[in-house]
Amino acid sequence: EDQVTQSPEALRLQEGESSSLNCSYTVSGLRGLFWYRQDPGKGPEFLFTLYSAGEEKEKERLKATLTKKESFLHITAPKPEDSATYLCAVQTFSGSARQLTFGSGTQLTVLP
Amino acid sequence: NAGVTQTPKFRILKIGQSMTLQCTQDMNHNYMYWYRQDPGMGLKLIYYSVGAGITDKGEVPNGYNVSRSTTEDFPLRLELAAPSQTSVYFCASRSQENEQYFGPGTRLTVT
Repeated sequence: EDQVTQSPEALRLQEGESSSLNCSYTVSGLRGLFWYRQDPGKGPEFLFTLYSAGEEKEKERLKATLTKKESFLHITAPKPEDSATYLCAVQTFSGSARQLTFGSGTQLTVLP
Repeated sequence: NAGVTQTPKFRILKIGQSMTLQCTQDMNHNYMYWYRQDPGMGLKLIYYSVGAGITDKGEVPNGYNVSRSTTEDFPLRLELAAPSQTSVYFCASRSQENEQYFGPGTRLTVT
């Protein structure tokens, strides 16, 4: 069974204090790893897709990296508007409809 | 550009009642999905569709039903609502570039 584990569950940072969120996975065959941002009361918003170990993607203060066992979402000099829940999801070759299996998320709070 | 829209935003049902959650996308995506999200948990796949007329079960389909008569619409039907179906429901569609776009969700309470 595919498993996705995110840590920590919650993270509080001061504005400007860089950190990383972790997503570890156990799957039969990884097609892709996805990062989403979810604001309270809203649907998940797509951030990145990573397909192979060693791949990196960047967007503003966020950088996602991928190894064979885990992915990291690095947040550099975060601002209060980066506060949200960050979700990681995997897509495997065994899923006939390319469905996603999600982790439970990391709730990030950035204090001014 | 509406993307994925869902109605209603909120609903309270009594045990045993039925309802349909509506989902519409205007991006001409073939693949559509229904997820539920419980507090502190990841999203769980309920049903999915790979195109009009084709649907299949996901991880947690019991108590739900779907249909897909058009590319745009993918309604989720709850028959005989139970407290265990209290959750937030998200509809999504997948682009050719393999990105899933989510609707704003429906918050359902069954009492």
